[in-house]
Amino acid sequence: QKEVEQNSGPLSVPEGAIASLNCTYSDRGSQSFFWYRQYSGKSPELIMFIYSNGDKEDGRFTAQLNKASQYVSLLIRDSQPSDSATYLCAVTADRGSTLGRLYFGRGTQLTVWP
Amino acid sequence: NAGVTQTPKFQVLKTGQSMTLQCAQDMNHNSMYWYRQDPGMGLRLIYYSASEGTTDKGEVPNGYNVSRLNKREFSLRLESAAPSQTSVYFCASSERPSPGEQYFGPGTRLTVT
Repeated sequence: QKEVEQNSGPLSVPEGAIASLNCTYSDRGSQSFFWYRQYSGKSPELIMFIYSNGDKEDGRFTAQLNKASQYVSLLIRDSQPSDSATYLCAVTADRGSTLGRLYFGRGTQLTVWP
Repeated sequence: NAGVTQTPKFQVLKTGQSMTLQCAQDMNHNSMYWYRQDPGMGLRLIYYSASEGTTDKGEVPNGYNVSRLNKREFSLRLESAAPSQTSVYFCASSERPSPGEQYFGPGTRLTVT
């Protein structure tokens, strides 16, 4: 059973601050890691993916991956109220019978207050 | 392009009734997925289709059947609805070599009474 763990939150930060969202996963063979954003009542939307150890930056978002620690994080710089959403961490199984499947964490709810 | 579309958006069923949720994508993706999302449980995979003509069970397949009608369409059928199947259902699609980059439909909110 592949486990993807996230703090459910809620995480509350002021506008302009850095929001830090964390995720751990149990399958050491996992190769691909994704962050989805889900606004209340809407469907998930992919915002970042990372495949290699280290940092990957895209605008205000930075994904960080540490495969040795089985840890992936998402940093949101200069947080805005429009970033208030639930952030889902997801991991793929890249081998065997479950190739291509995504395993989701339960999500962290982020609130950015003005 | 519409992306991934789902019908219906809302549905109320009585216990024991059947229904089919429809999903279509216009991105020429090979892989399609059905998830359910329940409060506090996250997204759970019901069935997926890695390519046209193939389907596989996910984490929670019991009580559901699927049909990959063609490359565009992937339907989910509830043969005898139960209150435990009250949930929000999402269809998604993706294209190898990045199966994790999935595009989701707007969802179907299903209530079984």
